[in-house]
Amino acid sequence: AQSVTQLDSQVPVFEEAPVELRCNYSSSVSVYLFWYVQYPNQGLQLLLKYLSGSTLVKGINGFEAEFNKSQTSFHLRKPSVHISDTAEYFCAVSDRANAGGTSYGKLTFGQGTILTVHP
Amino acid sequence: IAGITQAPTSQILAAGRRMTLRCTQDMRHNAMYWYRQDLGLGLRLIHYSNTAGTTGKGEVPDGYSVSRANTDDFPLTLASAVPSQTSVYFCASSSTANTEAFFGQGTRLTVV
Repeated sequence: AQSVTQLDSQVPVFEEAPVELRCNYSSSVSVYLFWYVQYPNQGLQLLLKYLSGSTLVKGINGFEAEFNKSQTSFHLRKPSVHISDTAEYFCAVSDRANAGGTSYGKLTFGQGTILTVHP
Repeated sequence: IAGITQAPTSQILAAGRRMTLRCTQDMRHNAMYWYRQDLGLGLRLIHYSNTAGTTGKGEVPDGYSVSRANTDDFPLTLASAVPSQTSVYFCASSSTANTEAFFGQGTRLTVV
């Protein structure tokens, strides 16, 4: 079984400030890691993913995340946020060994972090 | 535009009624999923399908059923709706080639 904990339910920041959204996971098996973003009244859009290789992954809109296996964390960062980054962000994991190609979609999600960027 | 189409966009449903949420994808993905999103709980997997003709239970399957008659369609049925099924429902799909899941725009369901 897997679980994902997003440590902050809400993160308010000012425009152009740096931000870190924290994510910790628990799993007895090897996992893939994802961050999704949800803008108001929309579906989820993939920000970035860690499948293998370099532990620092870069995504869209200037976001990046670092996989830390020893701390079972996958924190999301952006050095300078914009008003348009206001949204809800979800960390998710999936079992690498899922059958039938479902490893990328059979996801366990965290509770979500609402990022609000103030002018 | 390629992607996932969900219908209806929103629905108010009387308790005890039967309802089918529709989901169609045109990306020829083999795997499809239904999630529900509730405040403070994130998204939780209801049912999934590895490929046409097969389905499996997710984390919260009770009160829901699915079918996968072909690659493109994955309807979710509530046989007898209850107020606790008030939620936003998302359909998603994935394939080995894409290494990510694609989500529809969601169906907002209110059971009264």
